[in-house]
Amino acid sequence: KNQVEQSPQSLIILEGKNCTLQCNYTVSPFSNLRWYKQDTGRGPVSLTIMTFSENTKSNGRYTATLDADTKQSSLHITASQLSDSASYICVVTHDYKLSFGAGTTVTVRA
Amino acid sequence: GAGVSQSPRYKVAKRGQDVALRCDPISGHVSLFWYQQALGQGPEFLTYFQNEAQLDKSGLPSDRFFAERPEGSVSTLKIQRTQQEDSAVYLCASSNRAVGETQYFGPGTRLLVL
Repeated sequence: KNQVEQSPQSLIILEGKNCTLQCNYTVSPFSNLRWYKQDTGRGPVSLTIMTFSENTKSNGRYTATLDADTKQSSLHITASQLSDSASYICVVTHDYKLSFGAGTTVTVRA
Repeated sequence: GAGVSQSPRYKVAKRGQDVALRCDPISGHVSLFWYQQALGQGPEFLTYFQNEAQLDKSGLPSDRFFAERPEGSVSTLKIQRTQQEDSAVYLCASSNRAVGETQYFGPGTRLLVL
């Protein structure tokens, strides 16, 4: 049923290191693809948004890529900080409906 | 307003009890959405309002779930005769318009049905 698949389910990285999260989707057509960050006990907050024609979008240390042909997206976190510990959710929008992935839980350790 | 607020933040209900969850969207936002987020999962769409009109309720899991937004601002999600499988975080989001606009999420209400 889920049209947005994310990997890995979770990962642990050392502070200062980089990591890349993956998202595959089957939602079609779509309006845009977003990456959200969800801290524990909080609602999701939008990090990046890309439309069909965009290949990459950056927001500080976060860089998202999109390959609309293969229906794949990635989120790269550079020089991770302890505050990056959160769940990162890939969200594909079709009209007003959002299809969420299950998220990747990132834990950054000192 | 400051942001989307939800109340209560936590709710413990006995099975069979009715509950009401409140959402205060960002002032002036036309669109309001309810989502259900099970533990370890991404949110799942429940229903969508544009002003006071409920345009889509296709995600409501059963007729025990009812949502309203009578004056086009505050919304209430009501769950009747709660079951254990209703235990989840219920997220509310609002946006200025529906299509393509960023949805701003509230902190959620964590419902535990015993």
